[in-house]
Amino acid sequence: DGGITQSPKYLFRKEGQNVTLSCEQNLNHDAMYWYRQDPGQGLRLIYYSQIVNDFQKGDIAEGYSVSREKKESFPLTVTSAQKNPTAFYLCASTYRGEQYFGPGTRLTVT
Amino acid sequence: QQPVQSPQAVILREGEDAVINCSSSKALYSVHWYRQKHGEAPVFLMILLKGGEQKGHEKISASFNEKKQQSSLYLTASQLSYSGTYFCGTERSGGSYIPTFGRGTSLIVHP
Repeated sequence: DGGITQSPKYLFRKEGQNVTLSCEQNLNHDAMYWYRQDPGQGLRLIYYSQIVNDFQKGDIAEGYSVSREKKESFPLTVTSAQKNPTAFYLCASTYRGEQYFGPGTRLTVT
Repeated sequence: QQPVQSPQAVILREGEDAVINCSSSKALYSVHWYRQKHGEAPVFLMILLKGGEQKGHEKISASFNEKKQQSSLYLTASQLSYSGTYFCGTERSGGSYIPTFGRGTSLIVHP
């Protein structure tokens, strides 16, 4: 079955550590996105990539970094510079305007 | 700029109808609607590409008023499975398919 996989589902880290969230898709979609979701805030765009080896900052990119070396993969690194990293992170891809979301990773930093 | 959704929450009994609104202060190129169950990923419902366009998916339909810069989602004869948070996404510029999402409307359907 085609889709988007994110791992792990739950992730716990100590403050000051960088952490990388995985996102893989086998839908052959060019565009991929990372969103952050906090209670009552909706989905806020962190980074997006419309083609391999190219990506753009979204609305809340500070403290995050990404890479897009392969069409299938778009990992997100949450750095120690991100002041409030605890959140639900969603990866998505787009085809003809419809966004397909992965199951999400819930990151808790203490 | 984030679109504004109203109401923030709706509580219904099975079989009742609901309307969720999404408005923007900026010109809208398209409107997307998603539903998210608690702890799960959002699921695409529909996209409206043209002003005046209306679409339907079973008993869920939507309209897009380009001039008023708003869209409405209509849920008729609601079912328990309709419970969740509904998000609208408005496209930032024509053809970019990068939506800006509203804060969501929580819909609870009781038996």
